[in-house]
Amino acid sequence: DTQMTQSPSSLSASVGDTVTITCRASQTISTSLNWYQQKPGKAPKLLIYAASSLESGVPLRFRGSGSGTDFTLTISSLQPEDFATYYCQQSNSNHWTFGQGTKVEIK
Amino acid sequence: EVQLVQSGAEVKKPGESLKISCQGSGYRFSSYWIGWVRQMPGKGLEWMGIIFPADSDTSYNPSFQGQVTMSADKSISTAYLQWSSLRASDTATYYCAKREMRGVKDAFHIWGQGTMVIVSS
Repeated sequence: DTQMTQSPSSLSASVGDTVTITCRASQTISTSLNWYQQKPGKAPKLLIYAASSLESGVPLRFRGSGSGTDFTLTISSLQPEDFATYYCQQSNSNHWTFGQGTKVEIK
Repeated sequence: EVQLVQSGAEVKKPGESLKISCQGSGYRFSSYWIGWVRQMPGKGLEWMGIIFPADSDTSYNPSFQGQVTMSADKSISTAYLQWSSLRASDTATYYCAKREMRGVKDAFHIWGQGTMVIVSS
């Protein structure tokens, strides 16, 4: 199966900062990469699909990029509601896999 | 409104059986894959497998193959996840999610609220 590795595992940032989360696949997955946001006690929410396409209703400050094995989620002008855990997930193979998650905390 | 509603929390003893449910509404349930995702306490998301309700075609994560069974009853727009003999290590929150396959999009775009399962003697 394709392994997904996110970095960092956690980060501290302030409101208004720009943060970047990376996700690396153990083999090439083209652009079959999705990003989810999860807040404590809540179900995950789809943010980005196909590496760079914004899900309907998701603010423009979220941007995804990358292809092949290396991907990035960038959050510009961090807002209080953005403090959460973010997961990448590949949908290239029959068996999907998630990254281990990146927790974005308030500095 | 498209939504998935899961059954309520469960507290079970090791060795007991369990079947949790996920009911879809607002769309043609049989035509979209439903996936199951496990989240152990304080841990990340794990893809367990996926089922196509129209014909009950399934694909399991090898790590969960033989440990759980996915099924669906399209007549009542409901998917199920079941265990024949629970273990303490099955303690987790289980989410169902609707797979959207449209153009380049292939993702879980609608999620259930989660079912917490606690297995303890």
